Amino acid sequence: KNEVEQSPQNLTAQEGEFITINCSYSVGISALHWLQQHPGGGIVSLFMLSSGKKKHGRLIATINIQEKHSSLHITASHPRDSAVYICAVNGGATNKLIFGTGTLLAVQP
Amino acid sequence: NAGVMQNPRHLVRRRGQEARLRCSPVKGHSHVYWYRQLPEEGLKFMVYLQKENIIDESGMPKERFSAEFPKEGPSILRIQQVVRGDSAAYFCASSDTGGALYYEQYFGPGTRLTVT
Repeated sequence: KNEVEQSPQNLTAQEGEFITINCSYSVGISALHWLQQHPGGGIVSLFMLSSGKKKHGRLIATINIQEKHSSLHITASHPRDSAVYICAVNGGATNKLIFGTGTLLAVQP
Repeated sequence: NAGVMQNPRHLVRRRGQEARLRCSPVKGHSHVYWYRQLPEEGLKFMVYLQKENIIDESGMPKERFSAEFPKEGPSILRIQQVVRGDSAAYFCASSDTGGALYYEQYFGPGTRLTVT
């Protein structure tokens, strides 16, 4: 079993829909990250959080430390949001990241 | 733009050749991480370095792979005698300590290695 699990693996939405991507982890962490990767592209850090909730534009990330669960929400989705969204956690003493397998999001116009 | 720089962006090597991947961290950052993304797979940690020191190499294959982060110059990930299974995207990230328990990592654009 992977230490970081994401669901769903694939998600297709219509433009304007509210989207939720979930992440569960089984290890002790100091922080959780949400990353975005466009096909063939680089990786952009969207959020780093250790508690509560963060918002940036149409993106919202929440984390529940007791339940070891985080969610990434996208409001009013747009085709340009189409990408792979990756959950990662800081594990261990060396700050290295442990990644989920990613969620491939396609937003159709 | 003082972000993480990686070069080359694309690298083609024949089996048996050496591959050298370079990473220049964000100016002032002294921590570098290398991650590998195999085709159709997720990202995996390889190695974590501070200036002149390897801190954690638990994700590095035992043979043919090495990494360094010298006092001056970029971090280098070196793959000797490449095989087709080494074909992947290699990402570098950097961070600063900042005195915090956890530090944001800034990713480079990646080097896509193709072994023919």
